[in-house]
Amino acid sequence: GAVVSQHPSWVICKSGTSVKIECRSLDFQATTMFWYRQFPKQSLMLMATSNEGSKATYEQGVEKDKFLINHASLTLSTLTVTSAHPEDSSFYICSAAWPAGKNEKLFFGSGTQLSVL
Amino acid sequence: AQSVSQHNHHVILSEAASLELGCNYSYGGTVNLFWYVQYPGQHLQLLLKYFSGDPLVKGIKGFEAEFIKSKFSFNLRKPSVQWSDTAEYFCAVKGNYGQNFVFGPGTRLSVLP
Repeated sequence: GAVVSQHPSWVICKSGTSVKIECRSLDFQATTMFWYRQFPKQSLMLMATSNEGSKATYEQGVEKDKFLINHASLTLSTLTVTSAHPEDSSFYICSAAWPAGKNEKLFFGSGTQLSVL
Repeated sequence: AQSVSQHNHHVILSEAASLELGCNYSYGGTVNLFWYVQYPGQHLQLLLKYFSGDPLVKGIKGFEAEFIKSKFSFNLRKPSVQWSDTAEYFCAVKGNYGQNFVFGPGTRLSVLP
């Protein structure tokens, strides 16, 4: 089956530093990947849609200069949280859509727990 | 805009009880429907999906869901739950014409041994 690898699974950083999270599709090519944020006991909040070779599409209220997304290849998307602050602490999840078309499904990474001190 | 609602925030059942989790969506066009499950400490995984055809779909681990178009519903069922079914369950909808996936708020299921 389609596997999505997300790394790191857990990161602690100091306030003001930047953190990069990687999302890889291991056995398929993903034109589109999604980045979500999940607060404790709440649903997934879509942050942005990452399209290979083009700029990401951000949801309303998500700061694109703070959450930098790069989708340089069909198997890798990265989310960089720039100048992180404690309020950015959260669980970040990526997913990749496959196969393209009307039978598209989402396959999820295992998530990254970010704690900003 | 698409939206998804799930009827229950937290459901508590004893083992062997029957389960039904409600999911309703709002969208005027043709949709694909999904149930995803998130076991404690694990990533989300697909439980079952409906694209077309038989509105009663069967998924893994004995789960099934029925798409009722007239009610815009896609309820998840299992005749007899197990302790290992304890998890968070998310209903999701995707329009057939390039729209994003939209997730419901989730239902936490706790199965007591």
